[in-house]
Amino acid sequence: QQQVKQSPQSLIVQKGGISIINCAYENTAFDYFPWYQQFPGKGPALLIAIRPDVSEKKEGRFTISFNKSAKQFSLHIMDSQPGDSATYFCAARHNTGTASKLTFGTGTRLQVTL
Amino acid sequence: NAGVTQTPKFRILKIGQSMTLQCTQDMNHNYMYWYRQDPGMGLKLIYYSVGAGITDKGEVPNGYNVSRSTTEDFPLRLELAAPSQTSVYFCASSDSGTGQFFGPGTRLTVL
Repeated sequence: QQQVKQSPQSLIVQKGGISIINCAYENTAFDYFPWYQQFPGKGPALLIAIRPDVSEKKEGRFTISFNKSAKQFSLHIMDSQPGDSATYFCAARHNTGTASKLTFGTGTRLQVTL
Repeated sequence: NAGVTQTPKFRILKIGQSMTLQCTQDMNHNYMYWYRQDPGMGLKLIYYSVGAGITDKGEVPNGYNVSRSTTEDFPLRLELAAPSQTSVYFCASSDSGTGQFFGPGTRLTVL
């Protein structure tokens, strides 16, 4: 129930195209859904996040779409650029009141080609 | 404001050796976390802390120990290194548990 399933494992998109990464979860107690971007040799960096009472959040070229009834959420990268080439992780937070933990997806390696 | 810092960046251990991975944050965050990252497996939570003096196990705690004597520091101890502990280790911190801020990682190889 704590799993977050992420797909695809890898993705190749042409410059200017739309990159779409999908995640699904089972635990309805999750209350916060962040996306992280990780470049080789670096730690993950928070990219954008959404709460389940909102269906969409947009920050620049990055948009999260959230479907609460389907228990799915996705990251859309519009006008993808070579600099977006990185590994992306979705995550889901379980907040028990005394502790707050994230469960991560397995990651998607995005390559944006010229 | 350095954020989350981790030392060392790289380390090679022999089987059975011990070491401590250091983690320090200067954001006055109450929550701190240790993760390990293996290829294709995402990040797995090892231990976490909700404040000084309070720690608890995560998903994969076996072979590790932690302590939290100050708000700033959260060291991770490996007592008897095993090849299965070869991984990249990340420390993270957060305030209310919304956005976690990650350190640059420690790449550990156990031979």
